[in-house]
Amino acid sequence: GNSVTQMEGPVTLSEEAFLTINCTYTATGYPSLFWYVQYPGEGLQLLLKATKADDKGSNKGFEATYRKETTSFHLEKGSVQVSDSAVYFCALAGGQGAQKLVFGQGTRLTINP
Amino acid sequence: ETGVTQTPRHLVMGMTNKKSLKCEQHLGHNAMYWYKQSAKKPLELMFVYNFKEQTENNSVPSRFSPECPNSSHLFLHLHTLQPEDSALYLCASSQDPAGGPIEQYFGPGTRLTVT
Repeated sequence: GNSVTQMEGPVTLSEEAFLTINCTYTATGYPSLFWYVQYPGEGLQLLLKATKADDKGSNKGFEATYRKETTSFHLEKGSVQVSDSAVYFCALAGGQGAQKLVFGQGTRLTINP
Repeated sequence: ETGVTQTPRHLVMGMTNKKSLKCEQHLGHNAMYWYKQSAKKPLELMFVYNFKEQTENNSVPSRFSPECPNSSHLFLHLHTLQPEDSALYLCASSQDPAGGPIEQYFGPGTRLTVT
């Protein structure tokens, strides 16, 4: 079945540092890929998505590119802010016979001023 | 109100109590979901409803009983819970997932503590 693996956290960075959170997936067919963010005390919010190979999703300075050859969807941001501190979830949906969202375990990110 | 709302935001209940969680979506979606989020565990899908019909039950214990009276409202009825059921319960909605992979929109969650 479909599965998502994220880099283990927690991740701690200084403000203005470059961020990468790795995400790889296993799926048959052609899934859509998502990054969700969960700020403290809140539910999950869709951050960005990509629906086919080589698509780049972007939002709020975050980017991720759908790489089918490496089955990856790594999240990047060039200069993080304290307000980016949250838990980030990689997820996929679709592919052969599976329409529901499958989530990774989440990566907690803390940005220090 | 916009988006997906959940009430209550916090709930403390004893193991013999009966309580209900409520979710309402104002997005015109047809599918609704219950998830359980426990510390240090991946998000767990519990139930899926599409056009008010339950389409998925991921082996959830019968002490959790969902109800979907219409496409905008979803309830989770709780009775004789165990302490390990303490978690954040998240509701989500989406367009009809049978049409293809699609993003879900989440509510803020209900933080449940079973004592």
